[in-house]
Amino acid sequence: DQQVKQNSPSLSVQEGRISILNCDYTNSMFDYFLWYKKYPAEGPTFLISISSIKDKNEDGRFTVFLNKSAKHLSLHIVPSQPGDSAVYFCAASARGNTGKLIFGQGTTLQVKP
Amino acid sequence: EAGVAQSPRYKIIEKRQSVAFWCNPISGHATLYWYQQILGQGPKLLIQFQNNGVVDDSQLPKDRFSAERLKGVDSTLKIQPAKLEDSAVYLCASSPTSGSFGDTQYFGPGTRLTVL
Repeated sequence: DQQVKQNSPSLSVQEGRISILNCDYTNSMFDYFLWYKKYPAEGPTFLISISSIKDKNEDGRFTVFLNKSAKHLSLHIVPSQPGDSAVYFCAASARGNTGKLIFGQGTTLQVKP
Repeated sequence: EAGVAQSPRYKIIEKRQSVAFWCNPISGHATLYWYQQILGQGPKLLIQFQNNGVVDDSQLPKDRFSAERLKGVDSTLKIQPAKLEDSAVYLCASSPTSGSFGDTQYFGPGTRLTVL
């Protein structure tokens, strides 16, 4: 039972344009969501997070949107840069769950110059 | 500040052999996690330690996997005997507080295990 799903295995975007990565979840107990970025041969790096009390969180070029009713979140990168090319993982956590993260399968983003 | 260290970076073994991975978390981090990432999937938590006590090992295949965190610092993860399906990247992560809600986890580079 996959509780966090990233249905697009890959995404290709032109440099300077917007990248939108999507994530769906099924467990209504999840109330904290994170995005991690992973380069080849490196561990995942924390990118941005959002609590369920918010519907948007912004950090520079990165914005995460949360739609609780649809159990959906998305990561927007504007403008996209070639250095953003990586695998992006969505993860979710539930309050009272010892910080355990449930990860999606990942989406590989390629930003073309 | 030094990050999470893991060794070895790569390991190739034959099935039924044993293997061990080592992790040194960020200094002062109370909580340590071991994840298994199979190709094409996201990381899956195997075990979580808070200091030197186990918080969650519900997804650890205990018939073949074991882990310890002596003195609440370094940790080792062992597989004995290995199976073909254990081929994966094993990631170690640490977080500064008690593994509570909203705590950011910092990951090491991982150990890529290939079982032949």
